[in-house]
Amino acid sequence: KAGVTQTPRYLIKTRGQQVTLSCSPISGHRSVSWYQQTPGQGLQFLFEYFSETQRNKGNFPGRFSGRQFSNSRSEMNVSTLELGDSALYLCASSFRTWNYEQYFGPGTRLTVT
Amino acid sequence: GENVEQHPSTLSVQEGDSAVIKCTYSDSASNYFPWYKQELGKRPQLIIDIRSNVGEKKDQRIAVTLNKTAKHFSLHITETQPEDSAVYFCAARSQGGSEKLVFGKGTKLTVNP
Repeated sequence: KAGVTQTPRYLIKTRGQQVTLSCSPISGHRSVSWYQQTPGQGLQFLFEYFSETQRNKGNFPGRFSGRQFSNSRSEMNVSTLELGDSALYLCASSFRTWNYEQYFGPGTRLTVT
Repeated sequence: GENVEQHPSTLSVQEGDSAVIKCTYSDSASNYFPWYKQELGKRPQLIIDIRSNVGEKKDQRIAVTLNKTAKHFSLHITETQPEDSAVYFCAARSQGGSEKLVFGKGTKLTVNP
């Protein structure tokens, strides 16, 4: 079974631009969660989507948003990029309804200059 | 909200020795506690997890213990090998229908040959 995939793997953007990241979960998984990983703050929860609905949101500004499609693929968008948004963005998928195990994708390394 | 503290932040052991990493959590309603291993430049990988109705779980050289009263859980690695060198993250998931994981800051484990 294929694992979680994320595209693109690397991105370089300039301050003020916006970016869209994509995540394809493991086949059959309906929940997708997004995390931001930085050396200073570690792994921080951004939001979770299940059945095309946002179920929970972390403490990030409104510039961070996401959505989920009917095939469970998810995208996250960051508008008006700031230097501090440079990070590894990870998504994780799970069955959610009975199995808590979350499996991570390889991440998208975003650099904002 | 949930807060997870992880200690130590770095740990260096000799090959063959045991390694123990400890985490404490704040939300007594948390019911699921996974451990992830992240090698340099790679995605976090789920290595073991424990649910709140179990006190201990073992998988070959890896074991996790949970003390719900004290709200702490620990990862034990026996007979360490150089390939165990990585950053290990503990996490806690609260009840309430969310897949949100709150992570500790990580422990960098170095196993010296």
